[in-house]
Amino acid sequence: KQEVTQIPAALSVPEGENLVLNCSFTDSAIYNLQWFRQDPGKGLTSLLLIQSSQREQTSGRLNASLDKSSGRSTLYIAASQPGDSATYLCAVSGTYKYIFGTGTRLKVLA
Amino acid sequence: EAGVAQSPRYKIIEKRQSVAFWCNPISGHATLYWYQQILGQGPKLLIQFQNNGVVDDSQLPKDRFSAERLKGVDSTLKIQPAKLEDSAVYLCASSLEGGNYEQYFGPGTRLTVT
Repeated sequence: KQEVTQIPAALSVPEGENLVLNCSFTDSAIYNLQWFRQDPGKGLTSLLLIQSSQREQTSGRLNASLDKSSGRSTLYIAASQPGDSATYLCAVSGTYKYIFGTGTRLKVLA
Repeated sequence: EAGVAQSPRYKIIEKRQSVAFWCNPISGHATLYWYQQILGQGPKLLIQFQNNGVVDDSQLPKDRFSAERLKGVDSTLKIQPAKLEDSAVYLCASSLEGGNYEQYFGPGTRLTVT
């Protein structure tokens, strides 16, 4: 049974810092891994999708890496801004189903 | 391109009442998902449709929850009767096909059961 864990559960950093969010999964037989952002009271916004054959994806200040063999993914946020404050969720897909982690609540202080 | 639409956005009901949620996926997306997200947790898949058919409903409490997707487009999720522990945000998502494609989420429906 696939289990997805995100560490840390919460993170508070000053503006401008580079930071790393972690996602680990127990079953390496995945199709892809997707990172989402969720603002309070809102739905999920897709940030990056990494196919199982890829090692990383980049979009603006975001970079996500995937190491299937070790069951890990990291989301790197460069030069953090107060607008980055949100909950970040990772989800892994396998056999047509997505399994989500519990998320990391990020607060970037001005 | 229009996103995933959901209604209502908020609903407050008393326990033992019934409620229904509606979802309209992105045009052309064959796969539709319903998730339940309890406060402080990640979304949990309730049911997944591929066109008209159910792919996975293993975590759907079938004694009280039901869902349908008529004509492979819109979908409704119903709870009857509701319990206090059903208080959550119900999210609908869609993708082109199954697990190999990016999911797009609607804004969700926040349900409060009193």
